[in-house]
Amino acid sequence: SQQGEEDPQALSIQEGENATMNCSYKTSINNLQWYRQNSGRGLVHLILIRSNEREKHSGRLRVTLDTSKKSSSLLITASRAADTASYFCAMVTYKYIFGTGTRLKVLA
Amino acid sequence: EAGVAQSPRYKIIEKRQSVAFWCNPISGHATLYWYQQILGQGPKLLIQFQNNGVVDDSQLPKDRFSAERLKGVDSTLKIQPAKLEDSAVYLCASSPPGEGGSDTIYFGEGSWLTVV
Repeated sequence: SQQGEEDPQALSIQEGENATMNCSYKTSINNLQWYRQNSGRGLVHLILIRSNEREKHSGRLRVTLDTSKKSSSLLITASRAADTASYFCAMVTYKYIFGTGTRLKVLA
Repeated sequence: EAGVAQSPRYKIIEKRQSVAFWCNPISGHATLYWYQQILGQGPKLLIQFQNNGVVDDSQLPKDRFSAERLKGVDSTLKIQPAKLEDSAVYLCASSPPGEGGSDTIYFGEGSWLTVV
């Protein structure tokens, strides 16, 4: 499969807790991006990290990238019920290959 | 700025019938993508266009799926004949011109296909 693997497949946490999801991939990349998908909707871009970067922040999001291990993690701090969605990593070369996704449920 | 437009939003057909999905990308976006997303899975790239040329169609089942992007703007994805396993959401996306992969891509809301 060309897809990357994400874990966990599903995650359920309480509001206010942090959520961490991981992405592993197989090939070299230009950058790695994270997208969010609400139920029944298209994907929305969250954050991009380039292959020469190790960490990036955007609001409550923190992304790390370890190219030696071919892995990335997305941390959502102080989660809210509105963060409930599926999250996908995308491994980017000249095309965008999406991972299998993590379904996050934040309980109020 | 208008987003990526897709139609129809929902379609139910019987197996062996045909269906066509239409996509209008964001104005000025040179690259257009069609993804297939089966319930509970990540999107799988079917075909990628750069203007009206095909960049990648390695995962497009060419015996039944076809896609075209006339004049480098709108695109149509057709399935004929449909199989039960084609039940999925078909997502169209576009990205602006630039270095390949240096930008984010923008998704439409998807076309939901159920084959019965």
